[in-house]
Amino acid sequence: EADIYQTPRYLVIGTGKKITLECSQTMGHDKMYWYQQDPGMELHLIHYSYGVNSTEKGDLSSESTVSRIRTEHFPLTLESARPSHTSQYLCASSRGLAGAPGNEQFFGPGTRLTVL
Amino acid sequence: SQQGEEDPQALSIQEGENATMNCSYKTSINNLQWYRQNSGRGLVHLILIRSNEREKHSGRLRVTLDTSKKSSSLLITASRAADTASYFCASLGRFGAGTRLTVKP
Repeated sequence: EADIYQTPRYLVIGTGKKITLECSQTMGHDKMYWYQQDPGMELHLIHYSYGVNSTEKGDLSSESTVSRIRTEHFPLTLESARPSHTSQYLCASSRGLAGAPGNEQFFGPGTRLTVL
Repeated sequence: SQQGEEDPQALSIQEGENATMNCSYKTSINNLQWYRQNSGRGLVHLILIRSNEREKHSGRLRVTLDTSKKSSSLLITASRAADTASYFCASLGRFGAGTRLTVKP
C-alpha cells in the first residue's frame, strides 16, 4: 500500500461551491501530480509539481488551481464547482521525474467528485 | 490520447487463459511503464521496460517493446479472476486509454 492519501474519497456538492481536494504523501517525494479520470476512461494530467513552490499546468486545461507549500502536501482547489467538473481526481507522487527507472508513480485512492 | 492507444479497449477471457494487451505510443521514449487500476481506485505500478530492452519478465507478466514500431505489449499468463482490472501503459507521466480486462472464473 502506497503512503499517499486523498481526502475526501467521495464528495457531492452543489454548483458554485468552492472545494479543496487534499493530497498528502509521506514518502518524501519531490514530484507530485493531479490527474482527472472519467469512469472507464484515460487519465488526463491536469497539474504537476517538481517540488516546493513549483506548480505547472498539465496537458488538459483545467479550471482548478494547485499549491505546493510543503513537500508532502499538494492540494487542488476549485473556486466555483460546476457539473462539468464531475469526475474522479487522482493524486500521484514520484521520487524523481515520472518515467525514469526507479521513479515509478505512486497513486492515491482518488476522490470521486459529483457536482449537482 | 495523450501518449498512445491501448488495444483492445476491452478483453474478456476465462481463468487460466493468457491475456495480451498492446500499447502504441506517439513520441520517442526512454522508458515505458505498465500500471494496473482496480475499479475506481488508484493505479499501481507493474513493470518498467527501458528503451534498450526488448523483453522483460516479472512473475506472470511479460512485457515486450518494439521501438521501431513504437509499440509495447503486456502478456499476463495463466490469468486469475483477481487479474480483472484496467491496464495502462505510460511514459513520462502520460497514460494511454487503458485496456479493461475481465477474467471469468
